[in-house]
Amino acid sequence: EVQLVESGGGLVQPGRSLRLSCAASGFKFDDSAMHWVRQAPGKGLEWVSSISWNSFNTGYADSVKGRFTISRDNAQNLLFLHMNGLTTEDTALYFCVKDATAGLNWFDFWGLGTLVTVSS
Amino acid sequence: QSVLTQPASVSGSPRQSITISCTGTSSDVGYFKLVSWFQHHPGKAPKLVIYEDIKRPSGISDRFSGSKSGNTASLTISGLQAEDEADYYCCSYAGANTFLFGGGTRLTVL
Repeated sequence: EVQLVESGGGLVQPGRSLRLSCAASGFKFDDSAMHWVRQAPGKGLEWVSSISWNSFNTGYADSVKGRFTISRDNAQNLLFLHMNGLTTEDTALYFCVKDATAGLNWFDFWGLGTLVTVSS
Repeated sequence: QSVLTQPASVSGSPRQSITISCTGTSSDVGYFKLVSWFQHHPGKAPKLVIYEDIKRPSGISDRFSGSKSGNTASLTISGLQAEDEADYYCCSYAGANTFLFGGGTRLTVL
């Protein structure tokens, strides 16, 4: 059974940093690209970042480029999102999402999310 | 990066059919065969219902179907049931390792 469990969310002050983690199980992690998608309170889904199976290809939304870094540890079946320079606009539920392929194609399984609240 | 355009809400009665549109551009929806659709019940994980424009994952009811014409993709749900009431989002690969989501459509089953 595929499982994606996000962690690392919480309350953080503007300008500070946070690292989100996603523990994957139930599938061959290094056969899948991975993604982060977020949902601000009362808003729709917003794609944040993606990484291919071998970390060679990454992508970022304009809203987070230069502040967020996606990475993965295939040996530990872990996906990360390093978030710097957080603003109140980054307050959202962050979902870890599995790609159906090794490249960046489409999302076939989602975690339940971890909540990030940026507030002073 | 723009958002794909979806209607904010649609509604239908049980057993009826509804269609949700998703309009992008010739650089995303119209270029790649990589439009997917997700059903999202608040508080739960979003669920894939259509991928690669028209394909249905195993386990998804055949009441869900996808189509595409030019820069507009569509999701049709036939034989509406109460449990179909949810938010629906389209998503397209947009090139250069980026993706776009639609703004979401709230489906109400009357």
